[in-house]
Amino acid sequence: KAGVTQTPRYLIKTRGQQVTLSCSPISGHRSVSWYQQTPGQGLQFLFEYFSETQRNKGNFPGRFSGRQFSNSRSEMNVSTLELGDSALYLCASSLDSASNQPQHFGDGTRLSIL
Amino acid sequence: AQSVTQLGSHVSVSEGALVLLRCNYSSSVPPYLFWYVQYPNQGLQLLLKYTSAATLVKGINGFEAEFKKSETSFHLTKPSAHMSDAAEYFCAVSAPGNYGQNFVFGPGTRLSVLP
Repeated sequence: KAGVTQTPRYLIKTRGQQVTLSCSPISGHRSVSWYQQTPGQGLQFLFEYFSETQRNKGNFPGRFSGRQFSNSRSEMNVSTLELGDSALYLCASSLDSASNQPQHFGDGTRLSIL
Repeated sequence: AQSVTQLGSHVSVSEGALVLLRCNYSSSVPPYLFWYVQYPNQGLQLLLKYTSAATLVKGINGFEAEFKKSETSFHLTKPSAHMSDAAEYFCAVSAPGNYGQNFVFGPGTRLSVLP
C-alpha cells in the first residue's frame, strides 16, 4: 500500500510570493492534517480536513489555507510568504477523523524563503 | 486542552544499553497516546499507540511503552539500543470527544547511540 505522498519535496520561494503544497493520502484514508515543523517551534498543527470539510484549525494567520478534494487529496496554500515561513511542512492522513486513529505522515515539503 | 512534555531534549546511550525516553501528558479526559520516530529528512513514523486497552503497549523495532494514569506518563523503552535507533522521538496526545483530530506533539527527544 502506498504511503502518504507529498509534492514537491523541496521548494524555494522569495518573500511576498505564494505557494501551494500537495498531499495524497493513503488509499482509503479520509482525514488529512497539516503541520509546520521548525527547529524552534517544533511540530505545530495547521488544520485538519475530513470529507472536504475543515474540522480543526491551529493558531496560524489567514495566509495559511487549505482544501480537500473529493478523492481526499489535499492542498495547502500560503500567500504573501515571509522569511519565518521557512519550515518542513508535513501532511498526515488517517482512516477517519476519530481521536484514536493514528496519523500516518508523508516525508514533507521543505520550504525555504529567500 | 491537552499538552505533552518530554524530559530531555537529547539522550545518549551506548549500543546495547537500555533506552528510556520520557513523556508526560496533561489532559482533562483519559487520552489516547502515541509515540513517533523521525529519521533525518523523513516524516514521522508511528512506533506504537495507546487507545485505552492494555496499559503496556508493544510497538515496532522492539519498543514498548507503559501508560501510567497515576503518573500521567507514557515513557518509551527498549531493552537494548541499536545504532539504527538514533533518531528523534515524539510523544503525542489526542483527547477523545473532540470534533475532528487534534494531535498535540511534544517537543521531541533526540536519541544518540554511541558505539
